[in-house]
Amino acid sequence: QKEVEQDPGPLSVPEGAIVSLNCTYSNSAFQYFMWYRQYSRKGPELLMYTYSSGNKEDGRFTAQVDKSSKYISLFIRDSQPSDSATYLCAMSDTGNQFYFGTGTSLTVIP
Amino acid sequence: DGGITQSPKYLFRKEGQNVTLSCEQNLNHDAMYWYRQDPGQGLRLIYYSQIVNDFQKGDIAEGYSVSREKKESFPLTVTSAQKNPTAFYLCASSRGKTQETQYFGPGTRLLVL
Repeated sequence: QKEVEQDPGPLSVPEGAIVSLNCTYSNSAFQYFMWYRQYSRKGPELLMYTYSSGNKEDGRFTAQVDKSSKYISLFIRDSQPSDSATYLCAMSDTGNQFYFGTGTSLTVIP
Repeated sequence: DGGITQSPKYLFRKEGQNVTLSCEQNLNHDAMYWYRQDPGQGLRLIYYSQIVNDFQKGDIAEGYSVSREKKESFPLTVTSAQKNPTAFYLCASSRGKTQETQYFGPGTRLLVL
């Protein structure tokens, strides 16, 4: 079993839709949770960072962490064509390593 | 501007050749990492370094080597022992001992001639 599981998609939505991206994990020691956006042939860009459980909102983006279910989500409201990218979830237990999902490919259709 | 730079953007390797990928950061981060990204496989950790002059192997270190002589720099050498080096290589860094998040460079795409 992988440490982090993420549905690879691809996910295709019309412009303006609400997008929900999810990851599950197995290690209950994870405390830091991140979402990255990666455009084709570019490095991942940190989008959201959350410590422990709860919600965090930044503009059109909301990150949720449910540690009891070992489940994290990223919601994108009013999705735009510029949101088309691969979204990676990542997490850390404050140890030496970070653990990544395989990424979900999102296309927002104008 | 603070950030992580990687060079070159594209690199071509001939059979039996060693090549070195550069990674520099001016974020004053203690820890630095190298990942390999292949389609459908996500990010795989090659090496990481918590402090200068110290580094540890990641999940796929075979065929790679690193050095950490300066806090700002963490070059990766892809040796001839790495039989399948074609991939997108990403350098990252994180700060402090808690290392709560990582920041990535723009990546280097390595191709074999």
